Amino acid sequence: GAVVSQHPSRVICKSGTSVKIECRSLDFQATTMFWYRQFPKKSLMLMATSNEGSKATYEQGVEKDKFLINHASLTLSTLTVTSAHPEDSSFYICSASGTSEQYFGPGTRLTVT
Amino acid sequence: AQSVTQLDSHVSVSEGTPVLLRCNYSSSYSPSLFWYVQHPNKGLQLLLKYTSAATLVKGINGFEAEFKKSETSFHLTKPSAHMSDAAEYFCASSMDTGRRALTFGSGTRLQVQP
Repeated sequence: GAVVSQHPSRVICKSGTSVKIECRSLDFQATTMFWYRQFPKKSLMLMATSNEGSKATYEQGVEKDKFLINHASLTLSTLTVTSAHPEDSSFYICSASGTSEQYFGPGTRLTVT
Repeated sequence: AQSVTQLDSHVSVSEGTPVLLRCNYSSSYSPSLFWYVQHPNKGLQLLLKYTSAATLVKGINGFEAEFKKSETSFHLTKPSAHMSDAAEYFCASSMDTGRRALTFGSGTRLQVQP
């Protein structure tokens, strides 16, 4: 099946710094990628939808200036958490959609100290 | 608008006994429905999906689910639980076969007792 990777799998950063998370579709072209956030023992909440070559569409309540999403190619989308704060600590999961369904990455655990 | 409700936040079964994880959906159209499993600190693995074909869907690892439109349900079952089934399970819906964003239920933690 299709494979989606995320890098890094785990990152710890200091408050006030920025962190970039990469999401790659390894063996297919993803016209659309999704970014989800999962709080501890909670479900996944959609943050934004990104289409290759265009601006991301953010869900209500998600700060677009804080969570910068770039989808520059059909195989790569990045999520940058700017000026991170401890409340941004979470599990971030991306998914990539090809022609028929979407495939999930393994997730990135972000801890902001 | 669509929503997914997982009726049990936690289910505990004994190894070798049946598993039932309940999911109800709400949608103004005929949705696609999915079950995913998540092991600790891991991503999501698709167990099975319903996309308007057969109402009884068989998935991986012996799991299956039945789409019941009259009950707006898509419960996940397995005849005999295995220790390795212990994980978090998410029911989700989508407006199409899954190319669009998914709406997730709150999750059910399955515990399997020896």
